[in-house]
Amino acid sequence: EAGVAQSPRYKIIEKRQSVAFWCNPISGHATLYWYQQILGQGPKLLIQFQNNGVVDDSQLPKDRFSAERLKGVDSTLKIQPAKLEDSAVYLCASSLVGGGNEQYFGPGTRLTVT
Amino acid sequence: SQQGEEDPQALSIQEGENATMNCSYKTSINNLQWYRQNSGRGLVHLILIRSNEREKHSGRLRVTLDTSKKSSSLLITASRAADTASYFCATNTRGSQGNLIFGKGTKLSVKP
Repeated sequence: EAGVAQSPRYKIIEKRQSVAFWCNPISGHATLYWYQQILGQGPKLLIQFQNNGVVDDSQLPKDRFSAERLKGVDSTLKIQPAKLEDSAVYLCASSLVGGGNEQYFGPGTRLTVT
Repeated sequence: SQQGEEDPQALSIQEGENATMNCSYKTSINNLQWYRQNSGRGLVHLILIRSNEREKHSGRLRVTLDTSKKSSSLLITASRAADTASYFCATNTRGSQGNLIFGKGTKLSVKP
């Protein structure tokens, strides 16, 4: 079974630029999550989708971050404009259903904002 | 917000020894999960323990849960160099949408 795919793996941008990350979850997984992991910390949930609807985006900085999951499969996370403090690894995960079940993580995108 | 707190932050042991990591949390949970993260990679699910369970085993892993103390422990027996990684506990809290709240993790180093 193919795992969660993410691209790009690494991205370096200057502050105030925009960036987008892409995620393809495991086939058949209804729930998709985006996490931000700052160095030395655990992942922090940014947004959770159930199919193509948003379940939880309470920790998403909506003034600069946006995410969509059209057709309930792939998802993109965008940051515009980026700040220095956005430097982190952005992890995508999926699960068969929500409800606190096991999540499968992609390799992540390491973002550096200079 | 941080729900789980792992202890210790870092642990260094010799191959063959056992490693114990602890996790404390604040609010009532549906379940608690442990994940492993190798350097520069995504997280891998290790084990899930439900709030009505007290102990669970998977291979060399043993997890305990004490809901009265709001704490859990992960024991890795007969450790190997390949167990070197960061270990995170994650809680699925009651009343949530099913998402997980992760702790800061324990960095385990197993020396050959």
